[in-house]
This record gives sequence, C-alpha cells and structure tokens, in this order.
Amino acid sequence: SQQGEEDPQALSIQEGENATMNCSYKTSINNLQWYRQNSGRGLVHLILIRSNEREKHSGRLRVTLDTSKKSSSLLITASRAADTASYFCATGHNTGNQFYFGTGTSLTVIP
Amino acid sequence: EPEVTQTPSHQVTQMGQEVILRCVPISNHLYFYWYRQILGQKVEFLVSFYNNEISEKSEIFDDQFSVERPDGSNFTLKIRSTKLEDSAMYFCASKRGGAYNEQFFGPGTRLTVL
Repeated sequence: SQQGEEDPQALSIQEGENATMNCSYKTSINNLQWYRQNSGRGLVHLILIRSNEREKHSGRLRVTLDTSKKSSSLLITASRAADTASYFCATGHNTGNQFYFGTGTSLTVIP
Repeated sequence: EPEVTQTPSHQVTQMGQEVILRCVPISNHLYFYWYRQILGQKVEFLVSFYNNEISEKSEIFDDQFSVERPDGSNFTLKIRSTKLEDSAMYFCASKRGGAYNEQFFGPGTRLTVL
C-alpha cells in the first residue's frame, strides 16, 4: 500500500505547547501534503512539500521531509485550542494523480 | 479566495435510490477528484478526472458509480443504486495541474442511506 500512516493516533497537549505529528509512507513520492479536518467538516489544505525539499514553514507550521526514511513530520508551535482537529498526511506519487491519505492524528489542545 | 463548493451538504436517501452529488471545482483547475470518508475511517480515493475522462479509479468505484462534467463548471458523482455501506462523507477536490500539485477539497456532502 502507498498510504501514509500517521503517529501518534491521538495527541493531547496544553495550549501553548508544541505538537508534533509524524507520517510514514512506503513508496517513493512526488510530494506530500498535510491537511486538517475539524470534526465532521471538510479537509483544509495546510502545506505541500515536494520530494526535493527538506523543510517548509507556514506561520506556526513547520513540515519536514526525510525521503531516505520515507517520513514527514508536522510541527505546530505555540498551539491554540482552535488547533484541535484531526491532521492527515497525503502522499502524491509519480504514478497517477491520486493522493493517498493516512489514518490521521487526532490532536486535542486543552485551554 | 476561490474554493471548491459542494451541494447538497447533507443528502438522505433510501437504499436502492439514485443520488447525484454536485461539485463546482476551482475555475482554472484541470484535475478533479472524488474521495469518500466513512465515519471514523480514513479518506479513500474514488476517482480522478482529467481532460473530460476518468484518468484513474479505485476498486471502490464500481459500475454503480459514474462521474460527469456536464458543463464547464460542474463535476458530478452519481451512485445509481445506493447501498447502506455507501453512507459516508463524499469530498470533491480539484488541482490546477502542471507544477501546482496542491489539491483543494470541498466541504463535503454527507450521504446517509437508510
């Protein structure tokens, strides 16, 4: 399977702390994207990192990619209660246009 | 900011009925997708559409499913004879293509089959 797998499955932190989520995948990728999903809602695109990039920032988000380990991490700094959501990685591959989603990390930020 | 829109937000239907889920992708995007997410499970790819034809489909996308781009703006998913297990959130997504790989999702349609 080419699908990503996130860990941990669930993460609970205090507001102001940093949250780190990891994604591992099995086959070579073209790019990797992170999405956020609030309960029962749609998927919000957060950030895309290409296979030739190692790190990318967007506001309080920092994404790293290690293609040798086939893994990516999403760091949310100075977390807020509004960051409470599920976070998914989705991998794009050289073969085909579809993206493969992982099972997600459920993040709870306690005010 | 342009966004993908979907209608209806919630569809309730009886088993065996046909449903059509509608999507309006972002206007300058060339690739269109349908995904579904059964409650509590991962997002699963159904089908991708490019240049007025299906480019890829998953095992889930059997003969009961079809997609259409009837005009320059809408992209539809039809389920001919719904089953209980078709109950899920259905997400439409679009991508500009070329060097732009970000895939943008609509808010989803919650399909409930009774």
